[in-house]
Amino acid sequence: DQQVKQNSPSLSVQEGRISILNCDYTNSMFDYFLWYKKYPAEGPTFLISISSIKDKNEDGRFTVFLNKSAKHLSLHIVPSQPGDSAVYFCAASAKTGTASKLTFGTGTRLQVTL
Amino acid sequence: EAQVTQNPRYLITVTGKKLTVTCSQNMNHEYMSWYRQDPGLGLRQIYYSMNVEVTDKGDVPEGYKVSRKEKRNFPLILESPSPNQTSLYFCASEGRRTGSSYNEQFFGPGTRLTVL
Repeated sequence: DQQVKQNSPSLSVQEGRISILNCDYTNSMFDYFLWYKKYPAEGPTFLISISSIKDKNEDGRFTVFLNKSAKHLSLHIVPSQPGDSAVYFCAASAKTGTASKLTFGTGTRLQVTL
Repeated sequence: EAQVTQNPRYLITVTGKKLTVTCSQNMNHEYMSWYRQDPGLGLRQIYYSMNVEVTDKGDVPEGYKVSRKEKRNFPLILESPSPNQTSLYFCASEGRRTGSSYNEQFFGPGTRLTVL
């Protein structure tokens, strides 16, 4: 049962345009959402996050939007740059006792073309 | 430099030959975990540890063991590897960046394991 879904395995965007990566979740207990970026031969690195009490968080070119009623979040990258080409993982966190358990999506491979 | 290290980075082995993948972090984090990444399945948690001598199963623990004898190290042990454990493995520790109000996972570089 995939609680966090990224339905687009890949996305190709021209340099300078907007990249929009989507993520859907099913567990209403998730209270924090994160995006990780992964380059080949490296571990994922944290990109941006959002608490469930907010609907938008912005950090430079990256903005995450959360629609709780639709159980949907999206990552916007504006403008897209060739260095943004990577696999992006959406992750959601829910408190389990004293720890927070992170559940990852399947990833979306973004390719930014010249 | 704050980091999570894993060794080896690449390993090819045969079915049934015990192996250990080491993981070490220098950030004094209490929480550590192991993930495997497989095509179409994303990152799935194998085991986690909330502190020394405290470990628990994640989503896919079958065929794996872990130990946490000291805070910085969290080795992953495959007592009798099988081909379905061929995967990309990531160790992670959890902590808070300066100025952040939430913990995030810091990942190691990954270990690509092939079991023949």
